[in-house]
Amino acid sequence: ETGVTQSPTHLIKTRGQQVTLRCSSQSGHNTVSWYQQALGQGPQFIFQYYREEENGRGNFPPRFSGLQFPNYSSELNVNALELDDSALYLCASWAQGSSYEQYFGPGTRLTVT
Amino acid sequence: GEDVEQSLFLSVREGDSSVINCTYTDSSSTYLYWYKQEPGAGLQLLTYIFSNMDMKQDQRLTVLLNKKDKHLSLRIADTQTGDSAIYFCAELGLDGGSQGNLIFGKGTKLSVKP
Repeated sequence: ETGVTQSPTHLIKTRGQQVTLRCSSQSGHNTVSWYQQALGQGPQFIFQYYREEENGRGNFPPRFSGLQFPNYSSELNVNALELDDSALYLCASWAQGSSYEQYFGPGTRLTVT
Repeated sequence: GEDVEQSLFLSVREGDSSVINCTYTDSSSTYLYWYKQEPGAGLQLLTYIFSNMDMKQDQRLTVLLNKKDKHLSLRIADTQTGDSAIYFCAELGLDGGSQGNLIFGKGTKLSVKP
């Protein structure tokens, strides 16, 4: 158990809809990153949040957005869902300055039909 | 750019040693990781090594790093059926826009036969 939790575990959405995924960081961790893991692939970095601001972004379109709250929990929002957005979404948390120790949550499995 | 490559499959017999290999391309000092993912689950951090080290051992796990060749390996001694999973090699980005991001390989599926 890493102390990082994610919700929901699974969900199914229809193409064109919007979705919000949630992540609760491990205690003492003030930075969170989100990753997308398509079937049979390694996780791909989406973006990172520190002090409630986006602090780095991977090669994902603007319809992927996020929020970080004062308690360091985080959300990933995806608008205008596409079939290719079907994936396992993982969040990882760590303390700023200790990025070498990142711990992942169990992930949210999103299926877009 | 940064890229992490690893072989896709490895099959071993229970009790044998498993060696999973990975190459990375970042020329900066960095951290390198091994994560384990069981079916339907998230990523479990197994171990990590800083690039100024050659080796790290943790119980049945041994990580070897050849910095000159940018080659990383994970050896699992006395492999058990419970070790069957996908193993991801990852490199920590430390520069500029990649700072703090993990760059993953595609994963090696380890199958352990009884």
